[in-house]
Amino acid sequence: EAGVAQSPRYKIIEKRQSVAFWCNPISGHATLYWYQQILGQGPKLLIQFQNNGVVDDSQLPKDRFSAERLKGVDSTLKIQPAKLEDSAVYLCASSPSRSGGMNTEAFFGQGTRLTVV
Amino acid sequence: GENVGLHLPTLSVQEGDNSIINCAYSNSASDYFIWYKQESGKGPQFIIDIRSNMDKRQGQRVTVLLNKTVKHLSLQIAATQPGDSAVYFCAEMIGGFKTIFGAGTRLFVKA
Repeated sequence: EAGVAQSPRYKIIEKRQSVAFWCNPISGHATLYWYQQILGQGPKLLIQFQNNGVVDDSQLPKDRFSAERLKGVDSTLKIQPAKLEDSAVYLCASSPSRSGGMNTEAFFGQGTRLTVV
Repeated sequence: GENVGLHLPTLSVQEGDNSIINCAYSNSASDYFIWYKQESGKGPQFIIDIRSNMDKRQGQRVTVLLNKTVKHLSLQIAATQPGDSAVYFCAEMIGGFKTIFGAGTRLFVKA
């Protein structure tokens, strides 16, 4: 089974520039997550999609961050304009649909390492 | 690859010894808990999970213990190997939707 695919692997931009990350989840997984992981910390959930609908975006800085999953499959996360403190690894994860109220773990991609200079 | 555990609490164990990694979770309403392992340059990888109606679950060389009274979770790794060196995160899930990660612990295995 192919894993979660993310691109690019690394990105360096100047502050105030914009950047976009792409994620292709595991086939058939209805739930897709974007996490931000700052060096030395645990991943922080930015946004969670169930199919193409947003379930939780309470920690997404909406003045500069946006995400979409138009067809309920792959997703893009955009930052515009970027700030120095956005330097982090951006992780995409997916999980199967919940059935019978059972929770399931998320499968993570390798992440995109963003450096804002 | 990048070092995701630069400023994290560190546990150093001898190869072959058992490791115990602890985690305090935040929300008494959490009903599902997961331990993840993260190696440098990679995303977190599922190790073992436990539901809130259980207090212990065993996998291959790993055991998770849950104490809901004090909101504490632990991961025990038996016969720790060099390949176990990584950062370990506990995560709690609330209502089947939001997953919240803890700060993480870096495990060093000395040969």
